[in-house]
Amino acid sequence: GAGVSQSPRYKVAKRGQDVALRCDPISGHVSLFWYQQALGQGPEFLTYFQNEAQLDKSGLPSDRFFAERPEGSVSTLKIQRTQQEDSAVYLCASSRGPIQGAGGYTFGSGTRLTVV
Amino acid sequence: DQQVKQNSPSLSVQEGRISILNCDYTNSMFDYFLWYKKYPAEGPTFLISISSIKDKNEDGRFTVFLNKSAKHLSLHIVPSQPGDSAVYFCAALRLQGGSEKLVFGKGTKLTVNP
Repeated sequence: GAGVSQSPRYKVAKRGQDVALRCDPISGHVSLFWYQQALGQGPEFLTYFQNEAQLDKSGLPSDRFFAERPEGSVSTLKIQRTQQEDSAVYLCASSRGPIQGAGGYTFGSGTRLTVV
Repeated sequence: DQQVKQNSPSLSVQEGRISILNCDYTNSMFDYFLWYKKYPAEGPTFLISISSIKDKNEDGRFTVFLNKSAKHLSLHIVPSQPGDSAVYFCAALRLQGGSEKLVFGKGTKLTVNP
């Protein structure tokens, strides 16, 4: 596709509910990233994939957060037993390959998750 | 511990004048610094970057300056246009151990008045 596509755009979840957020990267992009942006803050790194391999998950805030990219293209970020502090915009980004350095990252529009 | 800081939450300038957005960082191990522009309900869009071994990079109306000794960078927009009104994020990129992480500041909201 022309850009990084994320779905759903908005998600309201009741506390304790499980949610799944989807990211479709740009076709052929090897690297994929998830970021979490809380209100009034900058995006914060969650995890990084190179093809289907999850090379860095150091930013995942707890074991309730899980990300996968089984075929090296579409990725899903799953949050189990959602809590109010999980409310944020979840951004996905992709790039052609590792170490694109400056400018190689294209972000999607994000999924706004609200936990009530 | 915030590694990238944008101390001005907002900035207002007149159309045609210069906009200067500032950013400070604490980690001298960053490899690149990037500026992103963000409109409401959209993802961040890449603007311009600079390698940690450079001190200036220019692209059209946008110039980024890096002062490594002060751990400070700035984005200059000349001349400013109303369409530049957006939130600007400074980000630092660390390439380490096979991973790539962008560390963002909190953003500065720029308003360019006609």
